[in-house]
Amino acid sequence: QSALTQPASVSGSPGQSITISCTGTSSDVGGYNYVSWYQQFPGKAPKLMIYEVRNRPSGVSNRFSGSKSGNTASLTISGLQAEDEADYYCSSYTSSTTVVFGGGTKLTVL
Amino acid sequence: QVQLQESGPGLVKPSGTLSLTCAVSGGSISSTDWWSWVRQPPGKGLEWIGEIYHSGSSNYNPSLKSRVTISVDKSKNQFSLKLSSVTAADTAVYYCARVGMAGTFDYWGQGILVTVSS
Repeated sequence: QSALTQPASVSGSPGQSITISCTGTSSDVGGYNYVSWYQQFPGKAPKLMIYEVRNRPSGVSNRFSGSKSGNTASLTISGLQAEDEADYYCSSYTSSTTVVFGGGTKLTVL
Repeated sequence: QVQLQESGPGLVKPSGTLSLTCAVSGGSISSTDWWSWVRQPPGKGLEWIGEIYHSGSSNYNPSLKSRVTISVDKSKNQFSLKLSSVTAADTAVYYCARVGMAGTFDYWGQGILVTVSS
């Protein structure tokens, strides 16, 4: 299975909005509403931020939102804050009953 | 609150077998959840290894399937990973995680670094 495609890096200034894309195929992202997003700080375990495309777990800021169109899912962070600077990964369930991750995106808050 | 804790050797010799255990607390491994292993080579992205249900049903990453075995021990409320014929490319931080609905990892262990070296 091939990794989902994410931009290697994105950046934005405090207060701005950024969007991270996650492109797969009809066998994963496009075929199921089981896309998740994770935030990871250096040396720490990933943290679930979005599940089932657009749902936020309890405790996750509503500045984080998810969407999907065709084979591409997106994570949008609005009102960017310095504390949002981290690596972000998407994942998707696949038609082979496996899970595939994206390559990760490093978010820099300028 | 579910908590997971990985344990096992931090150093494995090439061609040997990597063996890790994940202890689950704050919840039963016999619940309706699946349990998974994910790894992350230094400076690289996340890679799904596989998952297991308390019944013993399992799914594996096709690229690792020939070398991976995930098992569950309900009496100890833990599950385990074995990866055989390891090489330097298997050096990574290994995480165990609880799987929510279809591939959503909602609880993670802190991770354990395993280095493959002679």
